[in-house]
Amino acid sequence: DAGITQSPRYKITETGRQVTLMCHQTWSHSYMFWYRQDLGHGLRLIYYSAAADITDKGEVPDGYVVSRSKTENFPLTLESATRSQTSVYFCASNPTGRNYGYTFGSGTRLTVV
Amino acid sequence: DQQVKQNSPSLSVQEGRISILNCDYTNSMFDYFLWYKKYPAEGPTFLISISSIKDKNEDGRFTVFLNKSAKHLSLHIVPSQPGDSAVYFCAASEGDKIIFGKGTRLHILP
Repeated sequence: DAGITQSPRYKITETGRQVTLMCHQTWSHSYMFWYRQDLGHGLRLIYYSAAADITDKGEVPDGYVVSRSKTENFPLTLESATRSQTSVYFCASNPTGRNYGYTFGSGTRLTVV
Repeated sequence: DQQVKQNSPSLSVQEGRISILNCDYTNSMFDYFLWYKKYPAEGPTFLISISSIKDKNEDGRFTVFLNKSAKHLSLHIVPSQPGDSAVYFCAASEGDKIIFGKGTRLHILP
């Protein structure tokens, strides 16, 4: 199916564990983004990527690692999960620049216990 | 420091009336402004955008107004419909990335 898909949809993990959230898009969009949504904070940018092998930090990158070896995939890894990383995570993609609207995935709800 | 501010967490509007959602920003270097709509358990969806060199952009029932001197933009929805009940995010582009506000929850009342 064409589009942007995130997996898993829901995840519960324990403090200190490593967890990876997956994001896959079928359009070959250059730009991909990871946001987290928290009550009272809206959407905050974690990391983004302008192309394969090019990544950059956003507003709240601490505790997260990204990679982009292929254009279509942009996984987000929490190296050692903390309770403050409990959130809903959204991946997005964009064909070129910022004047086009992003297309978002359906999100991953992550709970760290 | 919040660069994109939506000061109203929620707004209730009667069906058929006009909904006006407001947004303020602090960074004069923003060159595009966007509005997104979000339903529960779904990702945000792009609604409408406006370039910083314009003061109005219209798309069907949705119109965005930009007042650069006041660093203020607003989204007008006319007429409001039940399906418009959602969270609306104001956003602004800076370089390659977009910065979002906290969102305003819009309730359309029957």
